[in-house]
Amino acid sequence: GNSVTQMEGPVTLSEEAFLTINCTYTATGYPSLFWYVQYPGEGLQLLLKATKADDKGSNKGFEATYRKETTSFHLEKGSVQVSDSAVYFCALIKRSQGNLIFGKGTKLSVKP
Amino acid sequence: KAGVTQTPRYLIKTRGQQVTLSCSPISGHRSVSWYQQTPGQGLQFLFEYFSETQRNKGNFPGRFSGRQFSNSRSEMNVSTLELGDSALYLCASSLEQGADNIQYFGAGTRLSVL
Repeated sequence: GNSVTQMEGPVTLSEEAFLTINCTYTATGYPSLFWYVQYPGEGLQLLLKATKADDKGSNKGFEATYRKETTSFHLEKGSVQVSDSAVYFCALIKRSQGNLIFGKGTKLSVKP
Repeated sequence: KAGVTQTPRYLIKTRGQQVTLSCSPISGHRSVSWYQQTPGQGLQFLFEYFSETQRNKGNFPGRFSGRQFSNSRSEMNVSTLELGDSALYLCASSLEQGADNIQYFGAGTRLSVL
């Protein structure tokens, strides 16, 4: 079946450190891929997306590239801030279906 | 433009009771999806509605049901509540169905079953 696997957290970084959160997926066909972020007490916010192979999604300094050969969509940011502390979810959606399939989430804590 | 609004934000119920949660989508959005979030199972898809029709359903028991009204507002109902139903219930809306349509989430309703 379709699934998303992302690295276990929590991840603790110092401010201005480089961030990578790994995400791999299993799906037939060509799903669209997403990163969502959830701040404490809030719902999910779309961070970025990519709809086809080699697409790069980017937003607020975060980037992720849709790699079909490795079925991956790793999230990166060059310099994290304390305000980036949140839970990050990798997700996919198949064109034939309307529901998002999520990874388990990775909690990021950034220390000043 | 107002975002997705879910009411109430918090609910406390006891086992065996039933509960109804409400979701108002972004104006103009016709698709509404519901998800359950728990620490153990993560985010799981419940069901999706489009133009008042259930188009897609996750793997949940029949105690979980939903509906969508002509103004696209949606409700989900859980009957005969169990302790394991304690969760954050998230609603998401999108313009249309399908992979190219971004789903926008509400802040959720946190349900506690005692």
